[in-house]
Amino acid sequence: GEDVEQSLFLSVREGDSSVINCTYTDSSSTYLYWYKQEPGAGLQLLTYIFSNMDMKQDQRLTVLLNKKDKHLSLRIADTQTGDSAIYFCAEKDTGGFKTIFGAGTRLFVKA
Amino acid sequence: DTGVSQDPRHKITKRGQNVTFRCDPISEHNRLYWYRQTLGQGPEFLTYFQNEAQLEKSRLLSDRFSAERPKGSFSTLEIQRTEQGDSAMYLCASSLTGTLRAEAFFGQGTRLTVV
Repeated sequence: GEDVEQSLFLSVREGDSSVINCTYTDSSSTYLYWYKQEPGAGLQLLTYIFSNMDMKQDQRLTVLLNKKDKHLSLRIADTQTGDSAIYFCAEKDTGGFKTIFGAGTRLFVKA
Repeated sequence: DTGVSQDPRHKITKRGQNVTFRCDPISEHNRLYWYRQTLGQGPEFLTYFQNEAQLEKSRLLSDRFSAERPKGSFSTLEIQRTEQGDSAMYLCASSLTGTLRAEAFFGQGTRLTVV
């Protein structure tokens, strides 16, 4: 079945880069997503990557996809305290209907 | 239209009571999803609608749970005879088929506490 796994915590200093990693199991996923959740809030779509791409850059965000290893990463350049949140990796399921989420990586940014 | 809205934002109920939550999706979106999120976990899929048809239900959705989307617009999620294990954040999302990405846009959620 589909499964998405992430490391649970990451702590970085303000100004450093953050790299959040994710592995997924459904090789037929067409889109992979990164969502951000701040305390008490819903999920906000940060960025996405299509499965035939290796990399996507969007301002401070860089997404890398290794389809062979089913590995996805999100790099945040110049991490700010406002980036402190939970980041969820997600994939569309085989049927393309529902989105399957990882457990989330809690990013702590130290000033 | 400002996005997906959910009501109420918070609900505290006594065990055994019934509760109903409402979700208003983005107006042109034909797909609507319900997810449940417990502390420290990612959202878990419960069910989804395409227009008014409920097309898939997770095994997590016991027979105490029922969801409707009567006119293909707003949706309700009812939990009957609530149990403490039902305490969670219930998230609604919507998406539009036919778009290349078809990503889901989420509401702020309804936090349910069963005491």
